[in-house]
Amino acid sequence: GAGVSQSPSNKVTEKGKDVELRCDPISGHTALYWYRQSLGQGLEFLIYFQGNSAPDKSGLPSDRFSAERTGGSVSTLTIQRTQQEDSAVYLCASSKYRQFFGPGTRLTVL
Amino acid sequence: GENVEQHPSTLSVQEGDSAVIKCTYSDSASNYFPWYKQELGKRPQLIIDIRSNVGEKKDQRIAVTLNKTAKHFSLHITETQPEDSAVYFCAASRNFGNEKLTFGTGTRLTIIP
Repeated sequence: GAGVSQSPSNKVTEKGKDVELRCDPISGHTALYWYRQSLGQGLEFLIYFQGNSAPDKSGLPSDRFSAERTGGSVSTLTIQRTQQEDSAVYLCASSKYRQFFGPGTRLTVL
Repeated sequence: GENVEQHPSTLSVQEGDSAVIKCTYSDSASNYFPWYKQELGKRPQLIIDIRSNVGEKKDQRIAVTLNKTAKHFSLHITETQPEDSAVYFCAASRNFGNEKLTFGTGTRLTIIP
């Protein structure tokens, strides 16, 4: 079946602009996660959605970051007033039990 | 919160030899430990995982061992091949499924032909 998909694959933006990153999880997966991977680094947890429960936002680095999940499926991660330190690959994962990752969105803030 | 340490950060192994990557975790409540392989420019791929009710799990050339008392777990790759070259990440969480993962910092494995 289809895996996790993300769009866009690459995003270049100017400092101060807002960006939206999209994630389409695997059909039937109830949980959806966002992680961030900076160049040469590990994966840093950002936010997690599970069914209709309130999301776990404990990993969001600042209030410029927010995410929503509509209809229990597609999720959008929004970064407002982007800064250069936001440059990274943003990875989405979904799970029923094991987590499977999307290809990521590479964000570059100039 | 959970903290996962991973060693070594880089590892070079002659083709055909074995490779071992080790991780330690801090949260004694963690009971699920997956390993991901990430090739350059690609997504992380789950290669093997272990839950705390077992001490070892094997899948062909890959095995993972878990020592809950010492809070460490290891990835073993035998008969290494060039296609094993990648960055490997360990991770830990409190529950199998539907729980955020805390990742180690990764090991860059290079297989020397």
